[in-house]
Amino acid sequence: QITLKESGPTLVKPTQTLTLTCTFSGFSLSTSGVGVGWIRQPPGKALEWLALIYWDDDKRYSPSLKSRLTITKDTSKNQVVLTMTNMDPVDTATYYCAHSSAGIGWGFDYWGQGTLVTVSS
Amino acid sequence: EIVLTQSPATLSLSPGERATLSCRASQSVSSYLAWYQQKPGQAPRLLIYDASNRATGIPARFSGSGSGTDFTLTISSLEPEDFAVYYCQQRSPFTFGPGTKVDIK
Repeated sequence: QITLKESGPTLVKPTQTLTLTCTFSGFSLSTSGVGVGWIRQPPGKALEWLALIYWDDDKRYSPSLKSRLTITKDTSKNQVVLTMTNMDPVDTATYYCAHSSAGIGWGFDYWGQGTLVTVSS
Repeated sequence: EIVLTQSPATLSLSPGERATLSCRASQSVSSYLAWYQQKPGQAPRLLIYDASNRATGIPARFSGSGSGTDFTLTISSLEPEDFAVYYCQQRSPFTFGPGTKVDIK
């Protein structure tokens, strides 16, 4: 079965760079038509899509955050890494990674449990 | 950038009632719209993709319709476990709407 799990720091200081890792199993990111995305959710607020990487290494970013985000994949390790620069307290949120595929219209059908990242000095 | 709006913000209904949730796009997204359910403390769950296709394991009481700019998620008869927040999402790029909370009347 497909599982995903996010890992990374729970606390970062303002201006620092956040690096999150999504480790997954049950699928390969080298398979055609597969992708992994990152989505975040500030406490009590709505979901916000951040980035998505496709099996062919094509990448998509949220236009409002594009200058701060980088998404990469390591197919051999079954990992996807998201970096976000210049962190601010407004970036405090639960960060999720999720599986996507062409077969479901690029919706996100399997999600990690999420990891809460707090930005504070 | 395409913006999604959802209405109403909150829908207060009783178990057994029909729920109708709306999602409107600022410009056409064709049929590229998904719906998710999220309960407190949980990750979202994909309900509907491509406007009207139920995801694996989703009960038949959930249905989606619409195309272009106007979409609807219908829950034919609310079960106790359906009280949650519902989000729509388009894929160009993958932005979410602000959500509709379905709570118990």
